[in-house]
Amino acid sequence: KQEVTQIPAALSVPEGENLVLNCSFTDSAIYNLQWFRQDPGKGLTSLLLIQSSQREQTSGRLNASLDKSSGRSTLYIAASQPGDSATYLCAVASGGYNKLIFGAGTRLAVHP
Amino acid sequence: NAGVMQNPRHLVRRRGQEARLRCSPMKGHSHVYWYRQLPEEGLKFMVYLQKENIIDESGMPKERFSAEFPKEGPSILRIQQVVRGDSAAYFCASSPLIRTVLPPSGANVLTFGAGSRLTVL
Repeated sequence: KQEVTQIPAALSVPEGENLVLNCSFTDSAIYNLQWFRQDPGKGLTSLLLIQSSQREQTSGRLNASLDKSSGRSTLYIAASQPGDSATYLCAVASGGYNKLIFGAGTRLAVHP
Repeated sequence: NAGVMQNPRHLVRRRGQEARLRCSPMKGHSHVYWYRQLPEEGLKFMVYLQKENIIDESGMPKERFSAEFPKEGPSILRIQQVVRGDSAAYFCASSPLIRTVLPPSGANVLTFGAGSRLTVL
């Protein structure tokens, strides 16, 4: 049974710091892995998607890596800003369709 | 394109009442997924539907919960005889295909709605 764990559960940093959020999964037979952002009371915004054959994806100040063999992914946020404050969710797709298994999230607070 | 529309955004019910949550997928999307997010937890898969078919309901509680996606109209998640433990945010997501070949930029596979927040008193 696929399980997804995210560390740390919460993080508070001053503006400008570079951050690393961690995600681990128990079954390496995944189709893809996604990182989402969730703002309080809002829906989910997809940030990056890494296919199982890829090692990393980049979008602006965000970079996500995937190591399938070790069951790990990291989300790197460069030069953090207060607007980055949100909960970041990691999710893996293991099946033949878009059935995602989510981690519990990392709650990020970036203070000025 | 208005995206995935969920309503109501907020719903309050007393124990024993029924809750109906609606989800209109993005235009052209024929696959709908429902997820539940309990307070301070991640999203948990509930059910995957195509038009007029339930494909995977492995995450649905065996009793009181049902889902449908009719040929016409929105997908509906129905919770009968609600209890306090049903209080949660219910998210709907839609996709156009079962499996999508994506460009390297990492575009969305699923598009999520803003959620319906159910409070049971």
